[in-house]
Amino acid sequence: DSGVTQTPKHLITATGQRVTLRCSPRSGDLSVYWYQQSLDQGLQFLIQYYNGEERAKGNILERFSAQQFPDLHSELNLSSLELGDSALYFCASSVDGSGQPQHFGDGTRLSIL
Amino acid sequence: GENVEQHPSTLSVQEGDSAVIKCTYSDSASNYFPWYKQELGKGPQLIIDIRSNVGEKKDQRIAVTLNKTAKHFSLHITETQPEDSAVYFCAASYRSSNTGKLIFGQGTTLQVKP
Repeated sequence: DSGVTQTPKHLITATGQRVTLRCSPRSGDLSVYWYQQSLDQGLQFLIQYYNGEERAKGNILERFSAQQFPDLHSELNLSSLELGDSALYFCASSVDGSGQPQHFGDGTRLSIL
Repeated sequence: GENVEQHPSTLSVQEGDSAVIKCTYSDSASNYFPWYKQELGKGPQLIIDIRSNVGEKKDQRIAVTLNKTAKHFSLHITETQPEDSAVYFCAASYRSSNTGKLIFGQGTTLQVKP
């Protein structure tokens, strides 16, 4: 058990809808990272937050947004969902902003019908 | 740009044999190289990592080597066991005060036959 908690484990929805994925980092970790894992793209970095502030952005679509709350949990919001958004979404956390090391949760599997 | 190439994509070995997975990175500023093991239905689990000021690191049956000149790093698993069967990912990152994003290889599916 990595100590990183993600909910829900599975999410099934339709095109055009909006969903929210939640992540609780390991106790004591200040930084949260979101990654997308799809069959054709592998693991892709989306965004990083450190102590409530956005630290780095990767290949995150404009339809996606995230935030980190004062209690350090994070939410990833995906809107106007398309079939291609079907993927595993992972959250990771680290003690500081360097990400060395990062520990991952078990992910949320998003299926768009 | 930032890129990590990982080979092979699949690897099948007999129980007890050794397995080697190789990665090449493009960003010469990269200085941190973790390896993750991902089992079905689980998230990536950190199994070993190495920093650029070290050439080799071992942890029981697992070792990682780094060649900074060639921008290569490799994972070595000795005395493989069926429970080592999983997908393995290498990654690279550049330690800075601003970002900890990891660039991942495409993964290697390791099958250990009993």
